[in-house]
Amino acid sequence: QSALTQPASVSGSPGQSITISCTGTSSDVGSYNLVSWYQQHPGKAPKLMIYEGSKRPSGVSNRFSGSKSGNTASLTISGLQAEDEADYYCCSYAGSSTPHVVFGGGTKLTVL
Amino acid sequence: QVQLQESGPGLVKPSQTLSLTCTVSGGSISSGSYYWSWIRQPAGKGLEWIGRIYTSGSTNYNPSLKSRVTISVDTSKNQFSLKLSSVTAADTAVYYCARALNYGGNPLDYWGQGTLVTVSS
Repeated sequence: QSALTQPASVSGSPGQSITISCTGTSSDVGSYNLVSWYQQHPGKAPKLMIYEGSKRPSGVSNRFSGSKSGNTASLTISGLQAEDEADYYCCSYAGSSTPHVVFGGGTKLTVL
Repeated sequence: QVQLQESGPGLVKPSQTLSLTCTVSGGSISSGSYYWSWIRQPAGKGLEWIGRIYTSGSTNYNPSLKSRVTISVDTSKNQFSLKLSSVTAADTAVYYCARALNYGGNPLDYWGQGTLVTVSS
């Protein structure tokens, strides 16, 4: 079981937009629009930001949005703010005969 | 508001079995339709999904850990547990318990604070 592929780091200035990619295979991201995204600040538990590809849980800012094309899912953060600086992880449902879940390796977002 | 709290030994010897418990408060573990899940994170590294148990008792495990993992639930105590056998230093990590919804790709919507488990003699 291979982890989903994310860039190790991205950066942007306050007010700008950034996009984090998450590349999987036809067995996970490509077969299901069931990607979720998590934000993790240092020393804290992850927080759900996006689920089912593009849906936001209650209380999550509409500056966060998700999309998918083929085997690649993406998280876009618009109007960057200092508090967005964190690690971001994608996650996908994988496998129908042996249901399981796979995470991406994580992306460190730096707000310049 | 659902809350989850991990508990268990912080130090485990190599080749022994790691055992952790997650206590759920703010709701019954047997009501609703949820997956009760375990995830771990080695220091400075990414998240790794370990497995989950459904409200019905059925389980799914990470294929790479399946031979060593057992997840069970104790509804009388509103707890679920993780056992990982034959541990090595590579199993040293912060272990999180979490609740996953049963739709939309099973997103993990509530997490515990995490507990550090070190494997060392």
